[in-house]
Amino acid sequence: KQEVTQIPAALSVPEGENLVLNCSFTDSAIYNLQWFRQDPGKGLTSLLLIQSSQREQTSGRLNASLDKSSGRSTLYIAASQPGDSATYLCAPGMEYGNKLVFGAGTILRVKS
Amino acid sequence: NAGVTQTPKFRILKIGQSMTLQCAQDMNHNYMYWYRQDPGMGLKLIYYSVGAGITDKGEVPNGYNVSRSTTEDFPLRLELAAPSQTSVYFCASSHGQFYNSPLHFGNGTRLTVT
Repeated sequence: KQEVTQIPAALSVPEGENLVLNCSFTDSAIYNLQWFRQDPGKGLTSLLLIQSSQREQTSGRLNASLDKSSGRSTLYIAASQPGDSATYLCAPGMEYGNKLVFGAGTILRVKS
Repeated sequence: NAGVTQTPKFRILKIGQSMTLQCAQDMNHNYMYWYRQDPGMGLKLIYYSVGAGITDKGEVPNGYNVSRSTTEDFPLRLELAAPSQTSVYFCASSHGQFYNSPLHFGNGTRLTVT
């Protein structure tokens, strides 16, 4: 059974810092891994989707890496801004069962 | 272009009551999903559909039913509500299979069963 852990559970940083969010998973039988952002009281917004054959994916100030064999992914946010404050969730897409398995998320607060 | 629309936003049910959570998408996506999110936990898949007339169970289907009569709509039915069904429910859709298409989420329905 896939277990997904996100560390840290919460993070508070001053504006302008570069930061790294970590996601680890126990089962490497994945098609891909998605990173999502969730604002309070809202649904999830897909940020990046990395296929299992890729090593990394970039979108603006966001860069996500994937090491499938070691069961790790990281989301790097450059030059953080208060508008980046949200909960960030990772979700590996399993090769079996037609599903994503979500981590509990990292709550990020960027202080101005 | 509204994306994925869920109604209602909030609902309080008494134990044993029934209700239907509505979900509609206007992106012509074939794939639709229902998730629940409990505090401090990741989302868990309840049911999903790969097209009109086709549905399948996810991880936590007990106590729920779904139907998919059109591409646009994917309602979730709760029969005999129980306190364990207190949660935030999210509907999502994708153009293709989850392994090559990002998911688009609605804003959720917050359900309390007392």
